[in-house]
Amino acid sequence: NAGVTQTPKFQVLKTGQSMTLQCAQDMNHEYMSWYRQDPGMGLRLIHYSVGAGITDQGEVPNGYNVSRSTTEDFPLRLLSAAPSQTSVYFCASSRTGRENTIYFGEGSWLTVV
Amino acid sequence: AQSVTQLGSHVSVSEGALVLLRCNYSSSVPPYLFWYVQYPNQGLQLLLKYTSAATLVKGINGFEAEFKKSETSFHLTKPSAHMSDAAEYFCAVINTGGFKTIFGAGTRLFVKA
Repeated sequence: NAGVTQTPKFQVLKTGQSMTLQCAQDMNHEYMSWYRQDPGMGLRLIHYSVGAGITDQGEVPNGYNVSRSTTEDFPLRLLSAAPSQTSVYFCASSRTGRENTIYFGEGSWLTVV
Repeated sequence: AQSVTQLGSHVSVSEGALVLLRCNYSSSVPPYLFWYVQYPNQGLQLLLKYTSAATLVKGINGFEAEFKKSETSFHLTKPSAHMSDAAEYFCAVINTGGFKTIFGAGTRLFVKA
């Protein structure tokens, strides 16, 4: 079972470069989200989507764009990378509804120099 | 708005000792609460969840948590720690719309031989 697949796993960027973190899920989940994880701060929600064509901002959306053209895919774009965006990024998906478990990808380690 | 607070960023126990990880929540509506575990270099996975069916919830790997409305708490316990329990643990609450999960800052559990 593939579940939630993120690529790349590791990436080093220079300040000002742009890149896209890819995320795909094969569970037909309506809800997908991106989190960043930083030491001592838990997971903070960047953007989320409740279905194809619908996206919204989370707690820390600045510097990131998302789109949801299909149910399966939810890419995260860094427009102009900054050192403050050095972090571990997790994509997640779930069915909608308050009882539903979130399934996480394995993470993408991003360093901006 | 819903939120969770985890007390203690680090907890250290001896192998075989009781594990107690603390989580308090804030919610204006009956909360749906979760505990997730993150092993090194991996994504998060569900340990257990409270969805109002029973106040004592049993999860995987011998963990359980008790929902106490009077104390607004959802502490995670395990009677006897094992070395393999060393990980980071996150308490989480889901919003009333059922599509935004808010995580605590996490508690790293160390298990000493």
